[in-house]
Amino acid sequence: DGGITQSPKYLFRKEGQNVTLSCEQNLNHDAMYWYRQDPGQGLRLIYYSQIVNDFQKGDIAEGYSVSREKKESFPLTVTSAQKNPTAFYLCASEGRGRNEQFFGPGTRLTVL
Amino acid sequence: AQSVSQHNHHVILSEAASLELGCNYSYGGTVNLFWYVQYPGQHLQLLLKYFSGDPLVKGIKGFEAEFIKSKFSFNLRKPSVQWSDTAEYFCAVEEYNTDKLIFGTGTRLQVFP
Repeated sequence: DGGITQSPKYLFRKEGQNVTLSCEQNLNHDAMYWYRQDPGQGLRLIYYSQIVNDFQKGDIAEGYSVSREKKESFPLTVTSAQKNPTAFYLCASEGRGRNEQFFGPGTRLTVL
Repeated sequence: AQSVSQHNHHVILSEAASLELGCNYSYGGTVNLFWYVQYPGQHLQLLLKYFSGDPLVKGIKGFEAEFIKSKFSFNLRKPSVQWSDTAEYFCAVEEYNTDKLIFGTGTRLQVFP
């Protein structure tokens, strides 16, 4: 089955710890995205990558970092600098010329 | 900066009622427009999209949306909702050729039998 996988589904961390969220896609899509979803705020773009070894900041990149070493993988690190990291994180991908983003199931991160 | 407004935050309807969810955006140039839906416990998925041509677009499950350029609007409609339409609905706008979506804050729809 082609799709986007995010792991884990639920993640708990202590305040001050960095944590990395996984996103893998087997759709052969060039572009990948990370969003944060908070109640009443919709989805906000954290980082995106249109090609391997390149990525750009979205609207709320502070306190986050990413890498894009492989086409199929786009991990997101939530650093201790992120002031309010507890949220639902969604990964998406888009094929070249498709103009439609496909979303993963999300990871719910809770920082205690 | 581009923004997307969804004025209805929470809508409660009975089955068979008609639905219209509002979406307005701020960008004055060429845009691509989307409605996404998130059913309880499921992935966010595309409901319908508009790029060009007929401003009335039809999507899955009987939904449709109308692009009115003069009003910067892309409202979602369904003539008769079902209990299974209970979900959160997001409007999204892409400035032409940017590959970046700007999402609205979402509308939670609850349909009661």
